[in-house]
Amino acid sequence: AQKVTQAQTEISVVEKEDVTLDCVYETRDTTYYLFWYKQPPSGELVFLIRRNSFDEQNEISGRYSWNFQKSTSSFNFTITASQVVDSAVYFCALSERSGPSNTGKLIFGQGTTLQVKP
Amino acid sequence: ETGVTQTPRHLVMGMTNKKSLKCEQHLGHNAMYWYKQSAKKPLELMFVYSLEERVENNSVPSRFSPECPNSSHLFLHLHTLQPEDSALYLCASSQESGRLNIQYFGAGTRLSVL
Repeated sequence: AQKVTQAQTEISVVEKEDVTLDCVYETRDTTYYLFWYKQPPSGELVFLIRRNSFDEQNEISGRYSWNFQKSTSSFNFTITASQVVDSAVYFCALSERSGPSNTGKLIFGQGTTLQVKP
Repeated sequence: ETGVTQTPRHLVMGMTNKKSLKCEQHLGHNAMYWYKQSAKKPLELMFVYSLEERVENNSVPSRFSPECPNSSHLFLHLHTLQPEDSALYLCASSQESGRLNIQYFGAGTRLSVL
């Protein structure tokens, strides 16, 4: 069965610390897509990154970086020099084909609540 | 502003009430989604619409009834709900409904069923 596991329920760090959020997934498909979303207290999920299963290059965007390792089925997210505004719930998700209509179905992890203290 | 607007933001209803949640997207997308986010549970996909046609119904009870009159609007009609239906209901849209498409979310409707 397809599954996404975010083992860290809550993480608390002090501002300027680096923090890594873990994501492990399970899938039988050879083609799939992985996503990270941020959910601030306001509620909306904000898209951060999409990665396809054929591209294992790590990616950096400002203070954010992502480490995709197919061998360990992991897609970890690191925030460098964290800031208070980074406080939010972060979700990792897996997208696979669902049903005969080939609809993309997002399977979310439980989320990791990150608290960055000043 | 994500381009996906949900109203109302908060809703309190009794178990015998009928209410509707509204979602509007301004992104020119062809696919729209309803998700349920309960406390302590992962987000659950409820319905998917592609070009105004329902393409996925994820075993959702019939007390939830979706409607997609056009590609920009999506409704979730609610009737005779149970207290366990209290949750954050999130709407999303994407360019197409395929698995590579990025889904953009609204801020959600926080529903409380008394």
